[in-house]
Amino acid sequence: AQSVTQLGSHVSVSEGALVLLRCNYSSSVPPYLFWYVQYPNQGLQLLLKYTTGATLVKGINGFEAEFKKSETSFHLTKPSAHMSDAAEYFCAASYSGGYQKVTFGTGTKLQVIP
Amino acid sequence: GAGVSQSPSNKVTEKGKDVELRCDPISGHTALYWYRQSLGQGLEFLIYFQGNSAPDKSGLPSDRFSAERTGGSVSTLTIQRTQQEDSAVYLCASSLASGQARNTIYFGEGSWLTVV
Repeated sequence: AQSVTQLGSHVSVSEGALVLLRCNYSSSVPPYLFWYVQYPNQGLQLLLKYTTGATLVKGINGFEAEFKKSETSFHLTKPSAHMSDAAEYFCAASYSGGYQKVTFGTGTKLQVIP
Repeated sequence: GAGVSQSPSNKVTEKGKDVELRCDPISGHTALYWYRQSLGQGLEFLIYFQGNSAPDKSGLPSDRFSAERTGGSVSTLTIQRTQQEDSAVYLCASSLASGQARNTIYFGEGSWLTVV
C-alpha cells in the first residue's frame, strides 16, 4: 500500500534560519507529489507540486522541493524562515488507479521563533 | 464559483442529533472528495465522487455517515446520531477530472463540527 511519511510532527526554527521539512513516499511507482500548507483555522492551500520534468520545484512564498527518486523523497525547503511561515505542512502523493488517489502525510507543524 | 465553498463553517450539535455538511465545488470540477481532520491528526479520506456516483466510499467510518452529490455539483455529507468522536474538521476538496494523478486538489475552508 502506498504511504507518505513526514518525519517530525513539530519542527521549530529561528526566524531567518533554513526550513527543512521531510517527506518520503512508499510505492513502487513514483507518484505525483504535492506540498500543502494549512494556516490556523483555514483549509489547505497548494504550495507546490511535482508532476514531470525538472525535479526541483519552486512554489509560493519562497518554498521549493526536490524530487529524489533514488531516495523516494520530496523534502520541502526555504532558505530563510519568516514568522508568517508558521503553519502546518502536509505532503501528499497522488496516484492514478481508476481515479486520482491521494495519500496525505500526517503533517508537520512549523514553529518560527523570533 | 471561485473556490470550494463549505457550509456551515462551524457547527455545534448535541450528541445523538443528525448533521448535514454542504460542499459546493469549483465550477467544472467533476471529482469531489471528503476528508476528516481530527485534532492533531492528519487527513482521513472519507469518500470520493466522480460526477454523482461514489466509486470509493471506503473511508466512511460507520453506517452513520453517508454522502450524496447531485447535479454533478453540490455534495452533502450527513452524520446521523452524532457521537463525540465525530468532532472534527470536515474538509471538502475538488479537482478537474478523475484518473489524472497530476491534478491539483483544491480544498475548502472546512466545516468545524463539535458534538457536545
